[in-house]
Amino acid sequence: KAGVTQTPRYLIKTRGQQVTLSCSPISGHRSVSWYQQTPGQGLQFLFEYFSETQRNKGNFPGRFSGRQFSNSRSEMNVSTLELGDSALYLCASSLTGPRETQYFGPGTRLLVL
Amino acid sequence: GEDVEQSLFLSVREGDSSVINCTYTDSSSTYLYWYKQEPGAGLQLLTYIFSNMDMKQDQRLTVLLNKKDKHLSLRIADTQTGDSAIYFCAESLFSGGYNKLIFGAGTRLAVHP
Repeated sequence: KAGVTQTPRYLIKTRGQQVTLSCSPISGHRSVSWYQQTPGQGLQFLFEYFSETQRNKGNFPGRFSGRQFSNSRSEMNVSTLELGDSALYLCASSLTGPRETQYFGPGTRLLVL
Repeated sequence: GEDVEQSLFLSVREGDSSVINCTYTDSSSTYLYWYKQEPGAGLQLLTYIFSNMDMKQDQRLTVLLNKKDKHLSLRIADTQTGDSAIYFCAESLFSGGYNKLIFGAGTRLAVHP
């Protein structure tokens, strides 16, 4: 069974731009969670989607948003990028929710200049 | 509260055992996890333990849970250079009907000959 895939793997953007990251969960997994990893803040929970609905949200500004499609693939969007948004963005999938074991993708490394 | 703490660095000699420690604050945690992250990569699930267990062994890995002290440890027997990585402890919190993972800052394990 293929693992969690994320595209693109690397991105360079400038301040003020917006970016969309994509995550394809393991086949059969319906829950997708997003995390931001930075050297200063570590791993922080962004949000979780299940059946195209956002079920849980971390403490991030409204510039961070996401969505999930009927095939469970998920995208996250960051608008009006700031330098501090430079991070590794990780996506994790599980069968029905984070109460079960989550499997992580390789991440998308975003650099904001 | 939501807080997971780990020591930041551990250095061991190849062939010795490594013990990585973690403390968490929320007694309602259902599952506790250990993830491994190699440079430039995402998170790899190593093992997990349910909160009603005291110990779990999986090949070279032994997880010990002291629920009274909210202390979790990961022991790696016969540590190899390939074990050099950052190890994250995470607790699964279930609140408000939903779940999320809270991660520690990670312990960087360096294995030297």
